[in-house]
Amino acid sequence: DTAVSQTPKYLVTQMGNDKSIKCEQNLGHDTMYWYKQDSKKFLKIMFSYNNKELIINETVPNRFSPKSPDKAHLNLHINSLELGDSAVYFCASSQDSIRGYTFGSGTRLTVV
Amino acid sequence: QQQVKQSPQSLIVQKGGISIINCAYENTAFDYFPWYQQFPGKGPALLIAIRPDVSEKKEGRFTISFNKSAKQFSLHIMDSQPGDSATYFCAASSPGKSTFGDGTTLTVKP
Repeated sequence: DTAVSQTPKYLVTQMGNDKSIKCEQNLGHDTMYWYKQDSKKFLKIMFSYNNKELIINETVPNRFSPKSPDKAHLNLHINSLELGDSAVYFCASSQDSIRGYTFGSGTRLTVV
Repeated sequence: QQQVKQSPQSLIVQKGGISIINCAYENTAFDYFPWYQQFPGKGPALLIAIRPDVSEKKEGRFTISFNKSAKQFSLHIMDSQPGDSATYFCAASSPGKSTFGDGTTLTVKP
């Protein structure tokens, strides 16, 4: 019944590794997002997809690559992980931005 | 350029008191102003939202006041309870994008 589900919930990995985070929504929403929340709890948008098409790509290093195989899924692949990538990553979805977002429960990424 | 400024950064209120969190925005293209509530270990959850054609919206103990000319809006939590202790984010949305404030950590003391 989870509306927006992310896996894994926790991810601990070494610098230089490549990792992926998966997100799925069962709300029928057209738009999905990735947000990064740092240690100060600031929420910053990274990417936005509408019906599998990339519509927002904020100033994110190209080590981050989103992929949307269909409008219910948005995955995030991160290459060559760095210490500064440690954060909580949230997936979200919305029917449109003027109806509010439904967030997943987050993936806490720790790079050691 | 920070498009949505939120204050205060943290707030401590006694049980039964009123909690007030303020936000200011710059971009007049924003047309939807939601507030989100986030508990530790959880994602933000939509709490209440307002459109710029109304000046106030109330849902239970939560009220948004909106001042379009001043480009400011605020969240009022009446009769604050310890269970309201969380981080609150305001946001301002235009088609395709929401910009979040930096968050306010609210602690309601019993």
